[in-house]
Amino acid sequence: GQSLEQPSEVTAVEGAIVQINCTYQTSGFYGLSWYQQHDGGAPTFLSYNALDGLEETGRFSSFLSRSDSYGYLLLQELQMKDSASYFCAASSGNTPLVFGKGTRLSVIA
Amino acid sequence: DTGVSQDPRHKITKRGQNVTFRCDPISEHNRLYWYRQTLGQGPEFLTYFQNEAQLEKSRLLSDRFSAERPKGSFSTLEIQRTEQGDSAMYLCASGLGALEARSSSGNTIYFGEGSWLTVV
Repeated sequence: GQSLEQPSEVTAVEGAIVQINCTYQTSGFYGLSWYQQHDGGAPTFLSYNALDGLEETGRFSSFLSRSDSYGYLLLQELQMKDSASYFCAASSGNTPLVFGKGTRLSVIA
Repeated sequence: DTGVSQDPRHKITKRGQNVTFRCDPISEHNRLYWYRQTLGQGPEFLTYFQNEAQLEKSRLLSDRFSAERPKGSFSTLEIQRTEQGDSAMYLCASGLGALEARSSSGNTIYFGEGSWLTVV
């Protein structure tokens, strides 16, 4: 089977940096994706890592270590609008994306 | 709007009734996925199509659920004899079949706004 583990909740202060970790157990692993979902909305794609290392896209960065079966999403210069749920998802072969249960990020003033 | 669209956005039905949801994917995408999501959980895979072929079905998909993609474009998800446990958001997503197995384009899917189902 495939499973992903991520913290259920994280709280951070506006303007700060927060890291959301994800560990996975997936056979035939291809890559790790991150999605953002605001309450009542659809998940939207943020990033995808197939290779080890850090990928940066504006205020968001995503990291992958294949040897550790671990990745994280880094959000910098937090804004109130970043309050949302963040999901890691694993790709493997031709099987559909498997999602973690999500991390609810609350950004406080 | 060229994103994934779903209809209806909200459906309230009585237990035992049948419901059908429709999904129109991004036009150039050959893969179409159905997921289900309940509060506080991540999306759970139900089934997916490559063109008109249904390639995989989850064990979550009981025989009351059926999905079609007759011409490889839009898809429908029908739930027969609905139960209260079917209450959830049904998400459709589309993507490109991976030409390069580990490529971002081949492993990224784009979701619609979802169809909320409430069974009373």
